[in-house]
Amino acid sequence: QSVLTQPPSLSASPGQKVTISCSGSSSNIGNNYVSWYQQLPGTAPKLLIYDNDRRPSGIPDRFSGSRSDTSATLGITGLQTGDEADYYCETWDSSLNVVVFGGGTKLTVL
Amino acid sequence: EVQLVESGGGAVQPGGSLRLSCAASGFTLSDHYMDWVRQAPGKGLEWVGRTRNKAKSYTTEYAASVKGRFTISRDNSENSLYLQMNSLKTEDTAVYYCTRRTSSGDGGYYFDYWGQGTLVTVSS
Repeated sequence: QSVLTQPPSLSASPGQKVTISCSGSSSNIGNNYVSWYQQLPGTAPKLLIYDNDRRPSGIPDRFSGSRSDTSATLGITGLQTGDEADYYCETWDSSLNVVVFGGGTKLTVL
Repeated sequence: EVQLVESGGGAVQPGGSLRLSCAASGFTLSDHYMDWVRQAPGKGLEWVGRTRNKAKSYTTEYAASVKGRFTISRDNSENSLYLQMNSLKTEDTAVYYCTRRTSSGDGGYYFDYWGQGTLVTVSS
């Protein structure tokens, strides 16, 4: 059971917008920055969003992040078939003193 | 160009030991926190532990599931990170990723580079 809760799966059509939620508590999301990672099939995770809403260079602005209280959200607009992947949220938990990940959300674009 | 390349994975029996290596290039290893993250087959990501940077005296922290069994070390002169795994259990079977943890400067930290991963299989 993950400390951070994500929906296990989502599906949407090409061109649509999707949001992936990540729910935590005051000891993690509520007081620490959130990052998001994309893991394409058979590959290592890749950083998409850091500090709640910042994009590393090279990440298109179709990807966005936000945080409110103890929840974070990853948004993807203009969905492409290449966006089919697992998405993970991550942050530090100040009570457990560990890095925590969400359980991951499998996004299907069909 | 930053690169992280893991090696040392393989099959081992329960109770056995294995040492993973991560060859780092393209940056100064001593300046960075370095973490290990694992992923069991078909499962999500799990943080294993970290070694902090020179400024933080290379101190280490571990997940409860591996504390006392796993040890993270580094050789900055060799640009290498290591994960010594002892008393291995079947539930340690996973792909192990070497990752670089970077500070944004505003209090946030994130994993900005990942290796390709190395598979460890613990089975009798």
